[in-house]
Amino acid sequence: DSGVTQTPKHLITATGQRVTLRCSPRSGDLSVYWYQQSLDQGLQFLIQYYNGEERAKGNILERFSAQQFPDLHSELNLSSLELGDSALYFCASSRRAGALVAQYFGPGTRLLVL
Amino acid sequence: AQSVTQLDSHVSVSEGTPVLLRCNYSSSYSPSLFWYVQHPNKGLQLLLKYTSAATLVKGINGFEAEFKKSETSFHLTKPSAHMSDAAEYFCVVSEDQGAQKLVFGQGTRLTINP
Repeated sequence: DSGVTQTPKHLITATGQRVTLRCSPRSGDLSVYWYQQSLDQGLQFLIQYYNGEERAKGNILERFSAQQFPDLHSELNLSSLELGDSALYFCASSRRAGALVAQYFGPGTRLLVL
Repeated sequence: AQSVTQLDSHVSVSEGTPVLLRCNYSSSYSPSLFWYVQHPNKGLQLLLKYTSAATLVKGINGFEAEFKKSETSFHLTKPSAHMSDAAEYFCVVSEDQGAQKLVFGQGTRLTINP
């Protein structure tokens, strides 16, 4: 158990809908990251927050947005969902920002768009 | 931009025999390198990390990896495979550019034969 929690574990929804994925980082971690894992694209970095502020952006669609709250938990919002958004979404956290620091991953949220 | 190539999509070994999972990286700067493991229906677990302190890195569960700059490689090894090692393994690179974006390889599925 990494100490990173994600809810919900599974989510089934329809095209065009909007969902919110939630992540609580390990105690003391200031940085939160979101990743998407799909069969065709593999694991891709979406976005990073550090102490409430956006730090880095990856291959995140404009329909997706995220934020980190004062208590350091983070939410990933996915809107106007398409079939291709079906994937496993991981959250990770680390003590601080910087390439030398290891990230610890949560168990993921499996999203299925029908 | 950094990238990672895992040379084998699938490796199969017998229990008790050595494991070798190959990874080559490309990076313009001094990279940080990681190996993560993903067991079926589980999140990603950090096995080990290289951050320039020592070229031979020891990780959890008897795994180790050697950083070879001349060959731009970071292969993962284990002297004796155990059934519980069956999983997907990801080689990951992160550049020391402040932003902590991880770039994942496509993964190597390790199968252990009894």
